[in-house]
Amino acid sequence: NAGVMQNPRHLVRRRGQEARLRCSPMKGHSHVYWYRQLPEEGLKFMVYLQKENIIDESGMPKERFSAEFPKEGPSILRIQQVVRGDSAAYFCASSPSGQGNEKLFFGSGTQLSVL
Amino acid sequence: EDQVTQSPEALRLQEGESSSLNCSYTVSGLRGLFWYRQDPGKGPEFLFTLYSAGEEKEKERLKATLTKKESFLHITAPKPEDSATYLCAVQANSGATNKLIFGTGTLLAVQP
Repeated sequence: NAGVMQNPRHLVRRRGQEARLRCSPMKGHSHVYWYRQLPEEGLKFMVYLQKENIIDESGMPKERFSAEFPKEGPSILRIQQVVRGDSAAYFCASSPSGQGNEKLFFGSGTQLSVL
Repeated sequence: EDQVTQSPEALRLQEGESSSLNCSYTVSGLRGLFWYRQDPGKGPEFLFTLYSAGEEKEKERLKATLTKKESFLHITAPKPEDSATYLCAVQANSGATNKLIFGTGTLLAVQP
């Protein structure tokens, strides 16, 4: 009964490189949420996806960031041309059906460090 | 704009010393208020969901309550293993999304 799996746990990139963060939701869950946590700040919503669809991307920066959740395989959060300000912990969460009042189950996160 | 404010930012207690954490919120229609616990280097772990004013939920030494403007997380006779960051989040009753809006958390340290 694996929970939400995120990899890698730690990712180091140099400025200008690309970062790809992966999230496999809990078994039976088809809804995925990405959050970013900066030091001394709370978890900030980025994007909500259902299989093959972006439902809510109101928290995503307009440039360099993209997310997908294909029919097969994990959800991917992609950051192009990373800058030092992108250094943060990125958490993925999943829920079964997207219905109201559902709790979200979180993964252990990916710590992105940009040198 | 939907917003969550938690206080205090940090709290240090002696083992057995009871206290409460506060979560104030403004939201355009509350669908649910959630409490999570987060340990260093880990993702948030679900504790409670509260749906309407007057509701209370308990789990071991923790008890969560809800009013129309705020929620409290009461910790009775805490132990060192209760040390963690406690996060409050709201789910708004708008749109087709279950996204949670989080506060910045209360860092609790319980000393033996």
